[in-house]
Amino acid sequence: EVQLLESGGGFVQPGGSLRLSCVASGFPFQNYAVNWVRQAPGKGLDWVSTINAADTSYYADSVKGRFTISRDNSKNTLYLQMNSLRAEDTAMYFCARDGIVDDGCDIWGQGTMVTVSS
Amino acid sequence: EIVLTQSPATLSLSPGDRATLSCRASQSVSSYLAWYQQKPGQAPRLLIHEAYKRATGIPARFSGSGSGTDFTLTISSLEPEDFAIYYCQQRSNWPRFTFGPGTKVDV
Repeated sequence: EVQLLESGGGFVQPGGSLRLSCVASGFPFQNYAVNWVRQAPGKGLDWVSTINAADTSYYADSVKGRFTISRDNSKNTLYLQMNSLRAEDTAMYFCARDGIVDDGCDIWGQGTMVTVSS
Repeated sequence: EIVLTQSPATLSLSPGDRATLSCRASQSVSSYLAWYQQKPGQAPRLLIHEAYKRATGIPARFSGSGSGTDFTLTISSLEPEDFAIYYCQQRSNWPRFTFGPGTKVDV
């Protein structure tokens, strides 16, 4: 079965750090671009970061310089290192595969919740 | 940044009704527009890509149209499981894609 499974969310104080992980299974992970998309409670979807198959990374302006996306193809795992966290980073974080046949985010994980609060 | 607006914010319909959802972009995105469905407590699901192409496994009652700045998602006859929030996403300047604010389809 093709799936993504996130972990690593939790409660952290402002200025703190967290590392999210997303384990892929059921498809050749190394061939795909993968994204982090977040959703604040009761709000819409917000693109955070993307890493393509060539290991090039992209960031939303709101997280640039604070978040780092990476991948370990040997472990079929995507990461998001989040530093200098702010209250406005509180959200459900989804990893999502960028489709090759279907030009969209065609596979999503179930999400991991990050809460930044003092 | 390309800004997407969606209308209406809420669409109140009944099973069997036809639903027409609109998405407008602040500048042309050609046909690089996708639609997603999200139910409470779940991740989004890709419905339509490249404005009109149904994603794998999506029922034929879902259709998309439009190009440039104006797009429409149509659900021909609402099933009970279709009551959800629908988001459009522009992919014109991949990967810096943006989402619209969503349209809630409720009973």
